[in-house]
Amino acid sequence: RKEVEQDPGPFNVPEGATVAFNCTYSNSASQSFFWYRQDCRKEPKLLMSVYSSGNEDGRFTAQLNRASQYISLLIRDSKLSDSATYLCVVINAGGTSYGKLTFGQGTILTVHP
Amino acid sequence: DTGVSQNPRHKITKRGQNVTFRCDPISEHNRLYWYRQTLGQGPEFLTYFQNEAQLEKSRLLSDRFSAERPKGSFSTLEIQRTEQGDSAMYLCASTRGAENEKLFFGSGTQLSVL
Repeated sequence: RKEVEQDPGPFNVPEGATVAFNCTYSNSASQSFFWYRQDCRKEPKLLMSVYSSGNEDGRFTAQLNRASQYISLLIRDSKLSDSATYLCVVINAGGTSYGKLTFGQGTILTVHP
Repeated sequence: DTGVSQNPRHKITKRGQNVTFRCDPISEHNRLYWYRQTLGQGPEFLTYFQNEAQLEKSRLLSDRFSAERPKGSFSTLEIQRTEQGDSAMYLCASTRGAENEKLFFGSGTQLSVL
Protein backbone atom coordinates (compact mmCIF):
# COMPACT_ATOMS: atom_id res chain seq x y z
CA ARG A 1 0.00 0.00 0.00
CA LYS A 2 1.31 3.46 -0.87
CA GLU A 3 2.00 5.78 2.04
CA VAL A 4 -0.22 8.49 0.53
CA GLU A 5 -2.93 7.85 -2.04
CA GLN A 6 -5.18 10.28 -3.86
CA ASP A 7 -8.27 10.10 -6.01
CA PRO A 8 -7.02 9.11 -9.47
CA GLY A 9 -8.84 11.85 -11.38
CA PRO A 10 -8.72 13.61 -13.72
CA PHE A 11 -11.59 15.84 -12.77
CA ASN A 12 -13.19 17.93 -15.50
CA VAL A 13 -15.73 20.42 -14.17
CA PRO A 14 -17.48 23.54 -15.47
CA GLU A 15 -16.84 26.95 -14.03
CA GLY A 16 -18.81 27.49 -10.86
CA ALA A 17 -18.89 23.83 -9.90
CA THR A 18 -17.94 22.43 -6.54
CA VAL A 19 -15.33 19.68 -6.57
CA ALA A 20 -13.79 17.60 -3.80
CA PHE A 21 -10.61 15.53 -3.59
CA ASN A 22 -9.72 12.92 -1.02
CA CYS A 23 -6.37 11.64 0.11
CA THR A 24 -5.65 8.68 2.39
CA TYR A 25 -2.47 8.01 4.36
CA SER A 26 -1.20 4.80 5.88
CA ASN A 27 1.02 5.99 8.74
CA SER A 28 -1.08 6.66 11.81
CA ALA A 29 1.86 8.57 13.32
CA SER A 30 1.56 11.25 10.63
CA GLN A 31 1.33 14.62 12.22
CA SER A 32 1.01 17.37 9.65
CA PHE A 33 -0.91 17.58 6.42
CA PHE A 34 -0.95 19.96 3.48
CA TRP A 35 -2.40 20.54 0.07
CA TYR A 36 -0.04 21.76 -2.63
CA ARG A 37 -0.89 23.00 -6.07
CA GLN A 38 1.29 22.35 -9.10
CA ASP A 39 0.84 24.06 -12.44
CA CYS A 40 2.08 22.44 -15.62
CA ARG A 41 5.89 22.35 -15.74
CA LYS A 42 6.17 24.32 -12.51
CA GLU A 43 7.26 23.41 -9.01
CA PRO A 44 4.65 22.61 -6.34
CA LYS A 45 3.48 25.49 -4.17
CA LEU A 46 1.68 25.39 -0.87
CA LEU A 47 -2.07 25.86 -1.18
CA MET A 48 -3.04 25.36 2.43
CA SER A 49 -2.26 23.50 5.61
CA VAL A 50 -4.82 21.07 7.00
CA TYR A 51 -5.73 21.47 10.65
CA SER A 52 -7.48 18.97 12.89
CA SER A 53 -10.53 21.17 13.23
CA GLY A 54 -10.75 21.81 9.51
CA ASN A 55 -9.94 25.12 7.91
CA GLU A 56 -11.17 27.38 5.18
CA ASP A 57 -9.41 29.84 2.91
CA GLY A 58 -11.81 31.63 0.62
CA ARG A 59 -13.29 29.06 -1.75
CA PHE A 60 -11.08 26.28 -0.41
CA THR A 61 -11.91 24.07 2.56
CA ALA A 62 -9.59 21.40 3.96
CA GLN A 63 -10.58 18.72 6.44
CA LEU A 64 -8.78 16.00 8.35
CA ASN A 65 -10.26 12.73 9.58
CA ARG A 66 -7.67 11.06 11.80
CA ALA A 67 -9.84 8.07 12.62
CA SER A 68 -10.18 7.13 8.96
CA GLN A 69 -6.78 8.56 8.04
CA TYR A 70 -7.81 10.79 5.21
CA ILE A 71 -7.78 14.45 4.30
CA SER A 72 -9.97 16.26 1.85
CA LEU A 73 -9.99 19.43 -0.20
CA LEU A 74 -13.19 21.12 -1.32
CA ILE A 75 -13.17 23.84 -3.97
CA ARG A 76 -16.33 25.88 -4.34
CA ASP A 77 -17.28 28.09 -7.29
CA SER A 78 -14.47 26.73 -9.46
CA LYS A 79 -12.55 29.18 -11.64
CA LEU A 80 -10.63 28.53 -14.82
CA SER A 81 -7.50 29.46 -12.91
CA ASP A 82 -8.05 26.55 -10.51
CA SER A 83 -6.98 24.16 -13.26
CA ALA A 84 -3.88 22.44 -11.92
CA THR A 85 -2.65 19.29 -10.21
CA TYR A 86 -3.46 19.10 -6.51
CA LEU A 87 -1.04 17.17 -4.32
CA CYS A 88 -1.63 16.07 -0.77
CA VAL A 89 1.38 15.95 1.52
CA VAL A 90 1.84 14.08 4.78
CA ILE A 91 4.64 14.60 7.28
CA ASN A 92 5.85 11.73 9.45
CA ALA A 93 6.01 12.50 13.12
CA GLY A 94 7.66 9.45 14.56
CA GLY A 95 10.47 6.96 14.23
CA THR A 96 13.42 7.23 11.92
CA SER A 97 11.42 9.09 9.27
CA TYR A 98 10.60 12.03 11.50
CA GLY A 99 10.02 15.09 9.35
CA LYS A 100 9.87 13.20 6.05
CA LEU A 101 7.34 14.68 3.63
CA THR A 102 5.50 12.24 1.40
CA PHE A 103 3.43 13.35 -1.59
CA GLY A 104 0.43 11.71 -3.15
CA GLN A 105 0.45 11.10 -6.88
CA GLY A 106 -1.66 14.17 -7.53
CA THR A 107 -5.13 14.79 -8.88
CA ILE A 108 -5.54 16.73 -12.09
CA LEU A 109 -8.32 19.29 -12.15
CA THR A 110 -9.49 20.95 -15.35
CA VAL A 111 -12.09 23.68 -15.10
CA HIS A 112 -13.74 24.49 -18.43
CA PRO A 113 -15.96 27.41 -19.50
CA ASP B 1 16.44 36.37 -4.98
CA THR B 2 16.44 34.42 -1.71
CA GLY B 3 14.47 31.41 -2.93
CA VAL B 4 15.70 27.86 -3.49
CA SER B 5 18.06 27.71 -6.44
CA GLN B 6 18.79 24.65 -8.54
CA ASN B 7 21.40 24.19 -11.23
CA PRO B 8 21.40 23.33 -14.00
CA ARG B 9 17.80 23.84 -15.12
CA HIS B 10 18.19 21.25 -17.86
CA LYS B 11 20.66 18.44 -18.38
CA ILE B 12 20.89 16.15 -21.37
CA THR B 13 23.30 13.27 -21.08
CA LYS B 14 24.09 9.97 -22.69
CA ARG B 15 23.35 6.71 -20.98
CA GLY B 16 26.23 5.62 -18.78
CA GLN B 17 27.47 9.12 -17.98
CA ASN B 18 27.56 10.60 -14.48
CA VAL B 19 25.63 13.75 -13.66
CA THR B 20 25.60 16.06 -10.65
CA PHE B 21 22.95 18.56 -9.65
CA ARG B 22 23.25 21.35 -7.14
CA CYS B 23 20.70 22.87 -4.80
CA ASP B 24 21.11 26.06 -2.79
CA PRO B 25 18.37 26.26 -0.17
CA ILE B 26 17.10 29.36 1.56
CA SER B 27 19.91 30.36 3.89
CA GLU B 28 18.25 29.88 7.28
CA HIS B 29 16.61 26.58 6.33
CA ASN B 30 17.97 23.54 8.17
CA ARG B 31 16.10 20.85 6.33
CA LEU B 32 16.65 20.01 2.67
CA TYR B 33 14.78 17.48 0.54
CA TRP B 34 15.35 15.89 -2.84
CA TYR B 35 12.43 14.56 -4.89
CA ARG B 36 12.08 13.09 -8.35
CA GLN B 37 9.01 13.65 -10.48
CA THR B 38 7.91 12.10 -13.75
CA LEU B 39 5.01 13.17 -15.90
CA GLY B 40 1.65 12.45 -14.32
CA GLN B 41 3.09 11.47 -10.96
CA GLY B 42 3.56 13.27 -7.69
CA PRO B 43 7.04 14.05 -6.39
CA GLU B 44 8.76 10.86 -5.24
CA PHE B 45 10.89 11.13 -2.10
CA LEU B 46 14.61 10.51 -2.62
CA THR B 47 16.38 11.74 0.49
CA TYR B 48 16.51 14.52 3.06
CA PHE B 49 18.96 16.28 5.33
CA GLN B 50 18.80 17.99 8.68
CA ASN B 51 21.76 20.38 8.42
CA GLU B 52 24.61 18.18 7.14
CA ALA B 53 23.13 14.90 8.39
CA GLN B 54 21.38 12.70 5.84
CA LEU B 55 18.35 11.40 7.73
CA GLU B 56 16.88 8.98 5.24
CA LYS B 57 17.40 7.70 1.74
CA SER B 58 14.60 6.10 -0.20
CA ARG B 59 14.81 2.34 -0.51
CA LEU B 60 13.76 2.78 -4.12
CA LEU B 61 17.08 4.39 -4.90
CA SER B 62 19.91 2.30 -6.21
CA ASP B 63 23.49 2.75 -5.15
CA ARG B 64 24.01 4.85 -8.27
CA PHE B 65 22.38 7.77 -6.46
CA SER B 66 24.21 9.71 -3.79
CA ALA B 67 23.56 13.03 -2.12
CA GLU B 68 25.64 15.24 0.11
CA ARG B 69 25.26 18.40 2.10
CA PRO B 70 28.78 18.87 3.38
CA LYS B 71 28.45 22.08 5.37
CA GLY B 72 24.76 22.06 5.95
CA SER B 73 24.23 24.64 3.25
CA PHE B 74 24.06 23.65 -0.43
CA SER B 75 23.49 20.05 -1.49
CA THR B 76 24.52 17.95 -4.46
CA LEU B 77 22.79 14.95 -5.97
CA GLU B 78 24.91 12.68 -8.13
CA ILE B 79 23.70 9.93 -10.41
CA GLN B 80 26.33 7.55 -11.66
CA ARG B 81 26.05 5.47 -14.83
CA THR B 82 22.79 7.09 -15.82
CA GLU B 83 20.00 5.03 -17.35
CA GLN B 84 17.07 6.11 -19.50
CA GLY B 85 14.76 5.44 -16.55
CA ASP B 86 16.52 8.20 -14.63
CA SER B 87 14.98 10.80 -16.94
CA ALA B 88 12.81 12.98 -14.73
CA MET B 89 12.52 16.33 -13.02
CA TYR B 90 14.67 16.46 -9.90
CA LEU B 91 13.25 18.85 -7.33
CA CYS B 92 14.95 20.28 -4.28
CA ALA B 93 13.04 21.84 -1.41
CA SER B 94 13.92 23.37 1.92
CA THR B 95 12.26 24.33 5.16
CA ARG B 96 13.29 25.56 8.58
CA GLY B 97 12.38 22.16 9.96
CA ALA B 98 9.34 22.64 12.15
CA GLU B 99 6.59 20.15 11.40
CA ASN B 100 4.12 22.63 10.04
CA GLU B 101 6.60 24.68 8.08
CA LYS B 102 5.95 25.52 4.47
CA LEU B 103 8.18 23.72 1.99
CA PHE B 104 9.88 25.94 -0.56
CA PHE B 105 10.75 24.32 -3.86
CA GLY B 106 13.34 25.18 -6.43
CA SER B 107 12.43 25.17 -10.11
CA GLY B 108 13.97 21.76 -10.57
CA THR B 109 16.51 20.19 -12.88
CA GLN B 110 15.07 18.37 -15.88
CA LEU B 111 17.25 15.38 -16.73
CA SER B 112 17.04 13.66 -20.08
CA VAL B 113 19.08 10.51 -20.58
CA LEU B 114 19.47 9.54 -24.23
